[in-house]
Amino acid sequence: GAVVSQHPSWVICKSGTSVKIECRSLDFQATTMFWYRQFPKQSLMLMATSNEGSKATYEQGVEKDKFLINHASLTLSTLTVTSAHPEDSSFYICSADPGQGYEQYFGPGTRLTVT
Amino acid sequence: GENVEQHPSTLSVQEGDSAVIKCTYSDSASNYFPWYKQELGKRPQLIIDIRSNVGEKKDQRIAVTLNKTAKHFSLHITETQPEDSAVYFCAAQGHTGNQFYFGTGTSLTVIP
Repeated sequence: GAVVSQHPSWVICKSGTSVKIECRSLDFQATTMFWYRQFPKQSLMLMATSNEGSKATYEQGVEKDKFLINHASLTLSTLTVTSAHPEDSSFYICSADPGQGYEQYFGPGTRLTVT
Repeated sequence: GENVEQHPSTLSVQEGDSAVIKCTYSDSASNYFPWYKQELGKRPQLIIDIRSNVGEKKDQRIAVTLNKTAKHFSLHITETQPEDSAVYFCAAQGHTGNQFYFGTGTSLTVIP
């Protein structure tokens, strides 16, 4: 149980285009999901907290107009990287909070490369 | 938000020896501290966690200690094996929205 998926697992896009990444909780409902970014050999940096049915809360320094988050259902959150640039190339990981305690469950990550 | 520091950044030990990784946090209201193991290009895997009402927790070769007064917690791996080689991250859970703030990571190498 407690499986989280992400799609796509990797994506290559051209500079200036937009890319959407999906995060799904497959066997539980998640009122809250989190989006992280991880650069090579670095830590996971929290980008935003996504709550079902409400606006996402962004961490300081994260551009909300560039990283659009939608949490339309209790099992799906999406992150759209708009007008992507090479510096947005990174590993994006989501996690889902089942709301039953402390533990969160991580997705497998999405490798984004912007050329 | 929470500020989590982690040391050392790299650690090499001989197989069978112990490894210790230390973390400090800034928000005294944080109350949950998980440790994750991450292999290259994969999701973090929870290996052990501790809540603020507990000072120590052990699971086979892995243990975690927490000092709330000093705001630091540590991961202890005994009888290390080559398959323990990976990057380890500590995290502290924010008290306002359950978000995790991660330490900077420790690359552990166990030498056979």
